[in-house]
Amino acid sequence: DAKTTQPNSMESNEEEPVHLPCNHSTISGTDYIHWYRQLPSQGPEYVIHGLTSNVNNRMASLAIAEDRKSSTLILHRATLRDAAVYYCILGSQGNLIFGKGTKLSVKP
Amino acid sequence: DAGVTQSPTHLIKTRGQHVTLRCSPISGHKSVSWYQQVLGQGPQFIFQYYEKEERGRGNFPDRFSARQFPNYSSELNVNALLLGDSALYLCASSLVAGSVYGYTFGSGTRLTVV
Repeated sequence: DAKTTQPNSMESNEEEPVHLPCNHSTISGTDYIHWYRQLPSQGPEYVIHGLTSNVNNRMASLAIAEDRKSSTLILHRATLRDAAVYYCILGSQGNLIFGKGTKLSVKP
Repeated sequence: DAGVTQSPTHLIKTRGQHVTLRCSPISGHKSVSWYQQVLGQGPQFIFQYYEKEERGRGNFPDRFSARQFPNYSSELNVNALLLGDSALYLCASSLVAGSVYGYTFGSGTRLTVV
C-alpha cells in the first residue's frame, strides 16, 4: 500500500480555518484518499474521502492536487472538539493502512 | 442504532497468559477488521474477516488469531502474551470486505500486560 507523509503536529485557533496537508507521491490511479480522525480515548472516525475531484461534506472539505500527489483536509472553522489526530490514508481494495497522523491542537 | 461494541473495555493480563477480545459490528455489516494501536502510533492492521472467512492478515505473529461467527461478531485471541502486546485493540466494521470507506470503529479494548 502507498505511503503518506503528514506533519507530526499543527496548531490552530478556535473558529479559524485549518489546512492539514498530506503528501502521497506514490499514489496509484485507483487509490482513494481517505481521512480519518481520532479523538482522545476513542476509535478513529471517518471524515471524508475522494479520488480526483475536491469533495465537501458537513465535517470538512478535501482538496486534491491535480497530479494527485498531495491533498489537503480543510476544516472551515476549527472548534475545540476538532482537537484530534488526523490520518491521511490511501487505499483501493485493501485495508486501511494508518501512518502516525497529524496531531491538531486547537487553542481557545 | 448501536455502533461497534467491544468488550471488555479494559483488561490486565500477566505475561504468558491468553486473552480473548470481542467485537460486535454494526447491524448489517458483514466485515470486521482488527487493529492494534500502541501508544503514540497509528493503528496497525491485524486481520480482516468477511462472511466468516479471513480476507486479510497483517504482519503479526501466529500468537494472534481471530474468527468470525455466523452473526458476524468476531473474537481476537492472543496467546503467550508479551509485554509488547500492551496496546489499544480496535475493531472496525464495514458492509463488505475491501471497502476502504465506511469503516466504523469501536472505542477499543485497552490491554495491559504486566
